[in-house]
Amino acid sequence: EAQVTQNPRYLITVTGKKLTVTCSQNMNHEYMSWYRQDPGLGLRQIYYSMNVEVTDKGDVPEGYKVSRKEKRNFPLILESPSPNQTSLYFCASSLKVSSTEAFFGQGTRLTVV
Amino acid sequence: DQQVKQNSPSLSVQEGRISILNCDYTNSMFDYFLWYKKYPAEGPTFLISISSIKDKNEDGRFTVFLNKSAKHLSLHIVPSQPGDSAVYFCAARLYSGTYKYIFGTGTRLKVLA
Repeated sequence: EAQVTQNPRYLITVTGKKLTVTCSQNMNHEYMSWYRQDPGLGLRQIYYSMNVEVTDKGDVPEGYKVSRKEKRNFPLILESPSPNQTSLYFCASSLKVSSTEAFFGQGTRLTVV
Repeated sequence: DQQVKQNSPSLSVQEGRISILNCDYTNSMFDYFLWYKKYPAEGPTFLISISSIKDKNEDGRFTVFLNKSAKHLSLHIVPSQPGDSAVYFCAARLYSGTYKYIFGTGTRLKVLA
């Protein structure tokens, strides 16, 4: 089944404790991205990757890192999480950056206390 | 600066009637518009798109209309079904060196049986 898988689905952590949210897709898509969803703000792009070893900042990259060592995986790293990073996170992939249809993971609800 | 706006946070419609979800945008350089549907505890799923050179696109019960002069698009669902109850996100694509997708804040549709 074609899918984007994120883990974990839920995470409560403390300020400053490094964490990684994993994202994996099985569709051989070139383009992957991370979004965060906050009330009243819609989905905002954090980082994106156009292919292996090619990543770039989205609209809200501060406090986040990503890597794309393999085509299927695109982890989101929070080196020192802060409470303002409490949010709902979505990973998405599409065949190419120009593809209008993106496939989203189920989301990761992160709480930083 | 919200370039894509969904001014109605929620909408209730009777089963069998038409649902109309609206979206306004400010940037005339958007070249594609998309609608995504999101159920609770799931990621958004792609619903329908329209190119900026068209004014209508239809897929089964779903039709998207684009009015470029008013910078307005709408999603019509006819007839509405209880399973259509979800949050609907409008999104727009912009090319500025690479493709960016800008999402609205979403409209929660409730279809009453």
